[in-house]
Amino acid sequence: GENVEQHPSTLSVQEGDSAVIKCTYSDSASNYFPWYKQELGKGPQLIIDIRSNVGEKKDQRIAVTLNKTAKHFSLHITETQPEDSAVYFCAASPRAGKSTFGDGTTLTVKP
Amino acid sequence: EAEVAQSPRYKITEKSQAVAFWCDPISGHATLYWYRQILGQGPELLVQFQDESVVDDSQLPKDRFSAERLKGVDSTLKIQPAELGDSAMYLCASSYKTVGTNTGELFFGEGSRLTVL
Repeated sequence: GENVEQHPSTLSVQEGDSAVIKCTYSDSASNYFPWYKQELGKGPQLIIDIRSNVGEKKDQRIAVTLNKTAKHFSLHITETQPEDSAVYFCAASPRAGKSTFGDGTTLTVKP
Repeated sequence: EAEVAQSPRYKITEKSQAVAFWCDPISGHATLYWYRQILGQGPELLVQFQDESVVDDSQLPKDRFSAERLKGVDSTLKIQPAELGDSAMYLCASSYKTVGTNTGELFFGEGSRLTVL
């Protein structure tokens, strides 16, 4: 089955700096790559996603890049703010709904 | 804004007891999922329903876990008997599935945190 590895497990940045989280996947059949943000005591919430026919996608301060050949994808957050502090999960899905998640990155943005 | 409802939010039980979790997905979402999230790890799929039918329960420990979605709306996940290793967050999610497309986005509830003593 699919295996997703996520790095780093913890990331601390100063407010205003950029943050990058990287994931690799193993199943070449995966074609959907979402990123979720989980705040303390809440369920994960989708923040951005990308499909395998696209190399990059942006939404304001958040961007995701995908390298299908290398089987890795990354989340980029620019101009970080304290409210960006949370746990971020990447996932890979070879079919509708069957998302395999990474183990998460705890992002801390220091004011 | 429509949300996935879960209850209870917290459950403390002793090992060998039975526990049950309930989930009400977003109205109109045909696909419902139960995930288990162990502290410090990502969610792991336990079971997926399409309407009232089980699509995938390959990771569900069927000797002690059961799940049902009788009318294709709300769902119940049961553990009997509970073991110490079952302590985790149990997340329910739903998605809108259009035939022939891969929408993918999961809408999660706030979860049910289980502690087994």
